[in-house]
Amino acid sequence: GEDVEQSLFLSVREGDSSVINCTYTDSSSTYLYWYKQEPGAGLQLLTYIFSNMDMKQDQRLTVLLNKKDKHLSLRIADTQTGDSAIYFCAEIVNYIPTFGRGTSLIVHP
Amino acid sequence: DSGVTQTPKHLITATGQRVTLRCSPRSGDLSVYWYQQSLDQGLQFLIQYYNGEERAKGNILERFSAQQFPDLHSELNLSSLELGDSALYFCASSALSGGSYEQYFGPGTRLTVT
Repeated sequence: GEDVEQSLFLSVREGDSSVINCTYTDSSSTYLYWYKQEPGAGLQLLTYIFSNMDMKQDQRLTVLLNKKDKHLSLRIADTQTGDSAIYFCAEIVNYIPTFGRGTSLIVHP
Repeated sequence: DSGVTQTPKHLITATGQRVTLRCSPRSGDLSVYWYQQSLDQGLQFLIQYYNGEERAKGNILERFSAQQFPDLHSELNLSSLELGDSALYFCASSALSGGSYEQYFGPGTRLTVT
């Protein structure tokens, strides 16, 4: 895989929607992932999308994939203080996972 | 609790030393991945094993090696340690190998090299 890029920080108010963006560079990626890391813990898979899909919704989470622009986004509806964490996007190409640097989501009450 | 265990949780050692990190995958998982997480480099994939065989290799230094044993637990050996090797080392496991299989991460081993 090549570089996966994300913005480093996002600050939102509780109850608002959060949108975390990611750009990947390998068009042969078959699966793209969003992981969450809380302080002092390992990564937890939130959701993933297969490359032939444009959108996937799972409760408060919506993933959008724009394959032409190699752009992936994660929308969290009704963001809660418990959603504060670092969010990583990732791709796997030829069995090799590549993660972005992570976006720190800070939710203000 | 992901079901993946890693020992030890913390490790402090001196430059030039050698350490072994251990990982037990979730019950039934055949694939194990090792990652290094640091502020400088972010989360870097090191190596993957599937049912005892090396499946994929990432940014793993020659001073580092790993293996997966017949009982499927895995060890990551780090030798000739340098200050820059200080990081969180994560192990993850998945049922099989390939992008469609969810990786479950362990809690990590924090290595401090002084």
